[in-house]
Amino acid sequence: AQRVTQPEKLLSVFKGAPVELKCNYSYSGSPELFWYVQYSRQRLQLLLRHISRESIKGFTADLNKGETSFHLKKPFAQEEDSAMYYCALRAGGTSYGKLTFGQGTILTVHP
Amino acid sequence: NAGVMQNPRHLVRRRGQEARLRCSPMKGHSHVYWYRQLPEEGLKFMVYLQKENIIDESGMPKERFSAEFPKEGPSILRIQQVVRGDSAAYFCASSPPGQGLLNTQYFGPGTRLTVL
Repeated sequence: AQRVTQPEKLLSVFKGAPVELKCNYSYSGSPELFWYVQYSRQRLQLLLRHISRESIKGFTADLNKGETSFHLKKPFAQEEDSAMYYCALRAGGTSYGKLTFGQGTILTVHP
Repeated sequence: NAGVMQNPRHLVRRRGQEARLRCSPMKGHSHVYWYRQLPEEGLKFMVYLQKENIIDESGMPKERFSAEFPKEGPSILRIQQVVRGDSAAYFCASSPPGQGLLNTQYFGPGTRLTVL
């Protein structure tokens, strides 16, 4: 069975500081990893996925299979980045199928 | 495209009553997923449906819960004889019938169920 762990429930940084939201997973196969974000009073939306190798809103995430991690990083945080962030995993080998979510990290960026 | 629609947004039921939660997927999407978020927890998968078929119900409680996605109309998550522990936010997501990068799950705003 797969599992996703986000060890930090709350994370606070100041504007302009680097930010890293941690995500670790356990899964015996080849996973597909995602980061979802939920801004205040908005629905959950996809931020990025590892197979895209893209940078969205300045955020990047690298899948490290050796450390089974998919940490989300941004070199200079902005106030509008304040939100709830969820890391999620989908079992590899299936294009469809359920997402397994971590418990989420609330990021607060102070001015 | 209006996005995934869920209604009602808030639902209050007394113990023993039935709760019906509706989800209208995005236009062109034929895959629907239901997730539940209990207080202070992450989203947990419940069931995955395609039109008229349940594909994966491994996250559904064995009793009182059922889901359907008929040929016409929204997907319905039904909870019979609700108990206080059913109080949670229920999220629906939909995805198109493509593969790979096309297969992104788009989430609705959720239905917050409160059982008195």
